[in-house]
Formats: sequence, C-alpha cells, structure tokens
Amino acid sequence: DAKTTQPNSMESNEEEPVHLPCNHSTISGTDYIHWYRQLPSQGPEYVIHGLTSNVNNRMASLAIAEDRKSSTLILHRATLRDAAVYYCILRDVAGGTSYGKLTFGQGTILTVHP
Amino acid sequence: DTGVSQDPRHKITKRGQNVTFRCDPISEHNRLYWYRQTLGQGPEFLTYFQNEAQLEKSRLLSDRFSAERPKGSFSTLEIQRTEQGDSAMYLCASSFQGLENTDTQYFGPGTRLTVL
Repeated sequence: DAKTTQPNSMESNEEEPVHLPCNHSTISGTDYIHWYRQLPSQGPEYVIHGLTSNVNNRMASLAIAEDRKSSTLILHRATLRDAAVYYCILRDVAGGTSYGKLTFGQGTILTVHP
Repeated sequence: DTGVSQDPRHKITKRGQNVTFRCDPISEHNRLYWYRQTLGQGPEFLTYFQNEAQLEKSRLLSDRFSAERPKGSFSTLEIQRTEQGDSAMYLCASSFQGLENTDTQYFGPGTRLTVL
C-alpha cells in the first residue's frame, strides 16, 4: 500500500490558519488523497479528498503538489473545536490493495490554543 | 439523528467470555466497515461488507472474530473467548459506494471493550 508521512503533532492559535502537511512520495496515479480527523472520544470524520486539483469545501482546503508527492490540508481559521488527530490517507480507486478500506497511520495531533 | 449508531457504547467482560457488538449504518448505505482502535493508534481495518457480502477480511481478524450483515442492513461483530489483547475501541463505518470508487465513510461513536 502507498504510505503517507505526517508530523506527529502541530500547534496553532485560535483564529489563525493551520497548514497540515502530508508526504506521499510513492503515490500512484490512481490514488486519491483523503483526509479524516478524529476529535477526542469520537469516531473519525471525513474532511476532504482530492486527486490532482486543489479542493475546497466548508471545512477545509486541500492543496496538492504538482507532482502529487505531497499535499497540505488547510484550515483557514482554526477554532478550539478543530483540535483533533488528522489523518492523511491514500485510496487506490483502481482496485488496488487499499481499495475499500481506509488505512490509517499515526496522524497529526493538532492542538489549538485559545 | 440519522448517523451510524453502535451498541453498546461500553462493554466490560471477563477473559474467555463471548461478546457481540451491533452497528446500524446510515439508511441506504450499501457498504459497512469494522475497524479496531487501540490507545494512541489510528484505527485498523478489520472487515467490510457490500450489502450482505463480506468482501474483505484483515489478517487481524482471527478465527475468534466473526462478522455478519444479514439482509444488508445492520451488522454484528462477535468475539469469542475474549482475551485481554482484544481490549480496544471497535468502530463501525458505513458508506454508499456508487460508480465512483471514492466513497466517504461515516463513522459511529464506537464500542469500547475492556477485557479483564
């Protein structure tokens, strides 16, 4: 399975932007980049996903490098409720071994200071 | 609330006992997943169903684990002869898999199992 590398932890101040990096140097052409987050004592929740182009939704933006070997999840104005573990996950839509299941790594623990 | 629900939320059992967990997915979702999460780790995939068919099982799913999804609706995960190493949070997720292979998975709150 294609793997991702994320920093163990990051910190931010409330109402400031947060850029969460993810490296995936072995990404294949059919791998989608997905981000999920897990708030304390809750199940993971979907944040955003993309293939090649940058994506925006109401929760966040996803910036994908031109060579697709890295991506950045952007929270435009962090709130205390954004404190969570953020997971960057590759999913192969061509029926590869990662198809269907989500393969979570350790993720990045985001701390937001008031 | 029409999200994924799991029952029970907490289960404490003694080593050697059998336990069963239930997951009710979001209506109309044809896929249902089970994951296990231990403290400080990301969730690990166990198995998933498309409708009532079990399409993939992880090697983590030993013979003591069995999952079913009769009629393609709710699912149960049974652990027989529990061991202390089975203590974890068991998460269920559901999704609708259409023509595009990028289904979004919606997770339930989990069942926390403690084996004494």
